Amino acid sequence: LAKTTQPISMDSYEGQEVNITCSHNNIATNDYITWYQQFPSQGPRFIIQGYKTKVTNEVASLFIPADRKSSTLSLPRVSLSDTAVYYCLVGDILLNDMRFGAGTRLTVKP
Amino acid sequence: KAGVTQTPRYLIKTRGQQVTLSCSPISGHRSVSWYQQTPGQGLQFLFEYFSETQRNKGNFPGRFSGRQFSNSRSEMNVSTLELGDSALYLCASSLNGAEAFFGQGTRLTVV
Repeated sequence: LAKTTQPISMDSYEGQEVNITCSHNNIATNDYITWYQQFPSQGPRFIIQGYKTKVTNEVASLFIPADRKSSTLSLPRVSLSDTAVYYCLVGDILLNDMRFGAGTRLTVKP
Repeated sequence: KAGVTQTPRYLIKTRGQQVTLSCSPISGHRSVSWYQQTPGQGLQFLFEYFSETQRNKGNFPGRFSGRQFSNSRSEMNVSTLELGDSALYLCASSLNGAEAFFGQGTRLTVV
């Protein structure tokens, strides 16, 4: 299983764009990259998923370079409510085999 | 539609006892995964069931077991509880693996 490495914590201010990078050097051909958000005492919530290049939805964008050894979650114009832990996962979605790493604790300040 | 429902929400058990947690997935979802979350170890994968078969298993001792019923509802059981089993147990269901929907979790306290 591909291991992921993310920064432990990040600080930002309201209205800024936040980019969280995840390294996954051993990503396999069948693996997808998925990001989840978790608030305290709640289950994680799906943010975005991609295989290569760029994926965008109403919440975030996911940038994946050609070698797929890393990915960047981009959150545009964050607000205080975006303060949470963000997890990068790499795994074979057909097997629903997704393993969480330590995550990145994002703190958005006013 | 209704989300993933986990029962009970809170549970207090004594060391040595056993416990059964329940998870009702979103209607139509056939994959159910279980996770343990603790401050020290983070979110750890326990096992995943699909159509009543365990497809994947994490690195947990045999005291942790699970099953899935024909209606996709799932239960996990922990026998001979230890203090270290105190955690938030999360269940997630998925339709096709692309997006997992998590329940609110069951907070288990072992005393």
